Amino acid sequence: SQTIHQWPATLVQPVGSPLSLECTVEGTSNPNLYWYRQAAGRGLQLLFYSVGIGQISSEVPQNLSASRPQDRQFILSSKKLLLSDSGFYLCAWSESQGLFSPLHFGNGTRLTVT
Amino acid sequence: QKEVEQNSGPLSVPEGAIASLNCTYSDRGSQSFFWYRQYSGKSPELIMFIYSNGDKEDGRFTAQLNKASQYVSLLIRDSQPSDSATYLCAPADYKLSFGAGTTVTVRA
Repeated sequence: SQTIHQWPATLVQPVGSPLSLECTVEGTSNPNLYWYRQAAGRGLQLLFYSVGIGQISSEVPQNLSASRPQDRQFILSSKKLLLSDSGFYLCAWSESQGLFSPLHFGNGTRLTVT
Repeated sequence: QKEVEQNSGPLSVPEGAIASLNCTYSDRGSQSFFWYRQYSGKSPELIMFIYSNGDKEDGRFTAQLNKASQYVSLLIRDSQPSDSATYLCAPADYKLSFGAGTTVTVRA
């Protein structure tokens, strides 16, 4: 069966510090991978998605970046965090084959920028 | 215009009642939809998928899709306190742009 791992679960970082969140998927090949952010009391905002190694599409211009160094690894980074980067970050995967493939989410990382 | 619009609520219903949630969408090309449930502080989980006009039932949940009117709805029958959560709808394309979600509170 497929599993998705996301870490850390919580993170408190000062403004201006770097960020690295990692996500890995097991039990499937060539998944579509996603990073979402959810601000407190708000909906899910798609940040990045990837349909293959090295292929990253950005949905919202900001100080975040994403990389996919391996087929089932997705990394979200920032060189300098802003207060507005606080939120609940979710990694997700879906099947790349087939028309209707739902998202499967990791447990999320709650980031607080102080 | 946002791709998907939902009434954010909160929607408060008594235990045992029917909770009705609606979602409208702007892209006429959207053919199918997912409904997700998100408990506070947790990640979303898939509860329903609908791809054709009409109703789809799964236990106490019924999803309805009306492509002509561009809306999709979710009914929760015999609502339980454990149904208290935020419900998100999303068109089933590969970018999955979610609505803001409707928060449901079931009163015991």
